[in-house]
Amino acid sequence: QTVVTQEPSLTVSPGGTVTLTCASSTGAVTSGYYPNWFQQKPGQAPRALIYSTSKKHSWTPARFSGSLLGGYAALTLSGVQPEDEADYYCLLYYGGAWVFGGGTKLTVL
Amino acid sequence: QVQLQESGPGLVKPSQTLSLTCTVSGGSISSDTYYWNWIRQPAGKGLEWVGLFETSGTTNYNPSLKSRVTISIDTSKNQLSLKLSSVTAADTAVYYCAREFALWGQGTLVTVSS
Repeated sequence: QTVVTQEPSLTVSPGGTVTLTCASSTGAVTSGYYPNWFQQKPGQAPRALIYSTSKKHSWTPARFSGSLLGGYAALTLSGVQPEDEADYYCLLYYGGAWVFGGGTKLTVL
Repeated sequence: QVQLQESGPGLVKPSQTLSLTCTVSGGSISSDTYYWNWIRQPAGKGLEWVGLFETSGTTNYNPSLKSRVTISIDTSKNQLSLKLSSVTAADTAVYYCAREFALWGQGTLVTVSS
């Protein structure tokens, strides 16, 4: 069974920079896994941020960026705002099936 | 502006079939080459991809649910549907539909209980 792993929790100061990562149990994450990233706040549906590794939706704030980093998919938040406190999920493609990571709870403190 | 709205019974008995629909407004479910997903989330837990339907007619399902899941579309009603058979308490979750993974509905809570 394929497992996608994210940091369970991270803390960042307002105005700081933080990188969330997404690892695959099958090996290095590449662009062929079409990494997606989502933000979810309590009581809300997930909101798409990044698709195909680094592409942004029209509504994605500029401070969010996606990349591949040392065999992982990565989501970097630069100039973190208090409203960025949320759960973040990555999603990877495995030839017909998609698998979500377990999520990272980001605290802005 | 395309919007998605999930609907269906909020309570399903164990061993029965869960049936949900996702109504698409502001656009046609079959007019473009999109794929349509169902995703679920148990309370306090992470997201789980359930499966997808491509407008070409292709379906793909989560291997762990494949034997129990059917996803289809009704173009006359502009709806995506999900059927999950032989449900147990482990299927209790908020169920979301999504166009590709960019546009999401607000979700609907389904509880499996007798």
